[in-house]
Amino acid sequence: DAGVTQSPTHLIKTRGQQVTLRCSPKSGHDTVSWYQQALGQGPQFIFQYYEEEERQRGNFPDRFSGHQFPNYSSELNVNALLLGDSALYLCASSPQGRTNEKLFFGSGTQLSVL
Amino acid sequence: LAKTTQPISMDSYEGQEVNITCSHNNIATNDYITWYQQFPSQGPRFIIQGYKTKVTNEVASLFIPADRKSSTLSLPRVSLSDTAVYYCLVGDLEGGKLIFGQGTELSVKP
Repeated sequence: DAGVTQSPTHLIKTRGQQVTLRCSPKSGHDTVSWYQQALGQGPQFIFQYYEEEERQRGNFPDRFSGHQFPNYSSELNVNALLLGDSALYLCASSPQGRTNEKLFFGSGTQLSVL
Repeated sequence: LAKTTQPISMDSYEGQEVNITCSHNNIATNDYITWYQQFPSQGPRFIIQGYKTKVTNEVASLFIPADRKSSTLSLPRVSLSDTAVYYCLVGDLEGGKLIFGQGTELSVKP
């Protein structure tokens, strides 16, 4: 049983570019949350998708957007990249919207913005 | 969402028991307490979750006093591989977002 998978594992972009990160949830899970983790900090909640809708959103600008597909996989898009967007981006999945019961995290995508 | 406070870092030696305490003074009635472990360049991994009193699983114990304003994660006989950052989180089971604090960086020495 595959856990949460994220792609790519590493990515290098330049300021102003756009990036798309992908996540496949654990089998049987339908809720996907995205987190940004800067070096030395705890993960910061970006948003959550359930039933293909954005259900909750953290304190992130509109440059951060997402999508959930019918198979529950999800994408995180970031436009107009800034140097400060360099971070580890984590995807987490859970069943039936019960996000606090037990989240399963992927290994993340390390994004570097130059 | 209840805010949590935990020590920034702790040191221990192999074979010792480690207790990490988390304060959550404004915990709500429906909130559960959950601990995650994170290694460098990896996503956090669920350790244990509880509501009150004591919970034990194969890797850790969680002690929660009656007033639930704090909780203690207990790791028995730590090894070098337990060196990681440990996060305490508080929230209801159907809450939309988890708020991670700074976490506690545990360093286990030989």
